[in-house]
Amino acid sequence: NAGVMQNPRHLVRRRGQEARLRCSPMKGHSHVYWYRQLPEEGLKFMVYLQKENIIDESGMPKERFSAEFPKEGPSILRIQQVVRGDSAAYFCASSPTAGVDEQYFGPGTRLTVT
Amino acid sequence: AQSVSQHNHHVILSEAASLELGCNYSYGGTVNLFWYVQYPGQHLQLLLKYFSGDPLVKGIKGFEAEFIKSKFSFNLRKPSVQWSDTAEYFCAVNSPGGGADGLTFGKGTHLIIQP
Repeated sequence: NAGVMQNPRHLVRRRGQEARLRCSPMKGHSHVYWYRQLPEEGLKFMVYLQKENIIDESGMPKERFSAEFPKEGPSILRIQQVVRGDSAAYFCASSPTAGVDEQYFGPGTRLTVT
Repeated sequence: AQSVSQHNHHVILSEAASLELGCNYSYGGTVNLFWYVQYPGQHLQLLLKYFSGDPLVKGIKGFEAEFIKSKFSFNLRKPSVQWSDTAEYFCAVNSPGGGADGLTFGKGTHLIIQP
């Protein structure tokens, strides 16, 4: 059973470009979470999605960031017009149910904005 | 809002030493508590979790943690560490239900075990 997949593992973007990060949850998992880890910081929750629904986006920056989890295909975290401060590791996690199960983490995407 | 505090950012121990990593959280309601580990070059893995019941939780690789509700603490322990325990350790909490299921993480403790 494959784990949580994220791609790309490393992404370099110039300021002003768009970044698209993909996450394929574990088989049978319908709950996806995105986290961001800045240097010397712990992971910060960004958004929680179920298929076709955003459940909690309280950790998402108000502008330039969006997330989706379509009926078919991976979850996408999209960052428009990236700035240097967006450079971080972005982790995706999935779980089979909400709240009472552990979250399984992917390897992360390291975004570097030049 | 929840917050998680890990007291030690860097810990250096010799092999066979005993380990205790502190974790305190600030939330008065029902919580789920987790310790995750990130070995060098690998992704986060669950060490152990507490949802309810016995406050002394045993996890993988000889780790255990004790939930002390009155102290809002969930400290991680291991009686005798090994070189392979060198890693980053993260304490995390969530409050189940109501859609607020994202984990709140501490800043992590970087543990180095010297042979």
